[in-house]
Amino acid sequence: QKEVEQNSGPLSVPEGAIASLNCTYSDRGSQSFFWYRQYSGKSPELIMSIYSNGDKEDGRFTAQLNKASQYVSLLIRDSQPSDSATYLCAVNPLWSGGYQKVTFGTGTKLQVIP
Amino acid sequence: GAGVSQSPSNKVTEKGKDVELRCDPISGHTALYWYRQSLGQGLEFLIYFQGNSAPDKSGLPSDRFSAERTGGSVSTLTIQRTQQEDSAVYLCASSLARTSDSPLHFGNGTRLTVT
Repeated sequence: QKEVEQNSGPLSVPEGAIASLNCTYSDRGSQSFFWYRQYSGKSPELIMSIYSNGDKEDGRFTAQLNKASQYVSLLIRDSQPSDSATYLCAVNPLWSGGYQKVTFGTGTKLQVIP
Repeated sequence: GAGVSQSPSNKVTEKGKDVELRCDPISGHTALYWYRQSLGQGLEFLIYFQGNSAPDKSGLPSDRFSAERTGGSVSTLTIQRTQQEDSAVYLCASSLARTSDSPLHFGNGTRLTVT
C-alpha cells in the first residue's frame, strides 16, 4: 500500500471552474501536510501547508484536512490556464526530535482548458 | 536569502563514466534530500540526510550510487559507471527540520544525460 496516494489524472477543468485535488495517506501519526506545484520542466514549489483539521484559505487556494479520514485536498477556485501543472501532496510525520522523513505522492496533473 | 543551489544544471556524460552532482542547501537547514525524476514521472526518493548522517538511503537504486554530506551543509551525489537508465533530473531539497511544520525547498535540479 502506498503511503501517500493521489490520482495521477489528468484532471481537466474549464477555465473559471473549481479544481479539486485529493490525497490520502496511510500513517495516522502524520502531522503536517503540504501541497507543491510543479510546472513541466521545473522544480516543485510550495503553495500551501496545513497542520490542523478544517480549511485553510490563501487567495484562490483552499487546503482541507480531515485527519480522521486521513484525507487532504486542495481546491483551486477560478482556475486559470496558468494553474496547469502537476500538484504534489507531501506528508510529514510527527516530529520526534531526530529523524523525520517527508513522503510525497506521485502527483495529479491538472489541465485548465481555456 | 539564497535558495538551494545545485550544480551543474546540465551534465552530459558517456556511458561508463562517473559523475558527481552537488547540492548546496539553504543555510541552517539540517535535513537534505535527493530525488530523481524521469520525464513525466513522479519524484523517486533516493536518500535523506539529517546533519551529516543518512538515516534513510533505501532509495539508492544500486551500489553505483552513493552520497555524502559534509559539515552539515554541502552534499554530493556520485554515480559510478553511469548507464543510460540513469538519465533523469536529479533534485535536491532541504528543510529546517526542527518541527513537523518544516516544508522542503527544492533546487533547480541537475539534468543528467548519459549517451
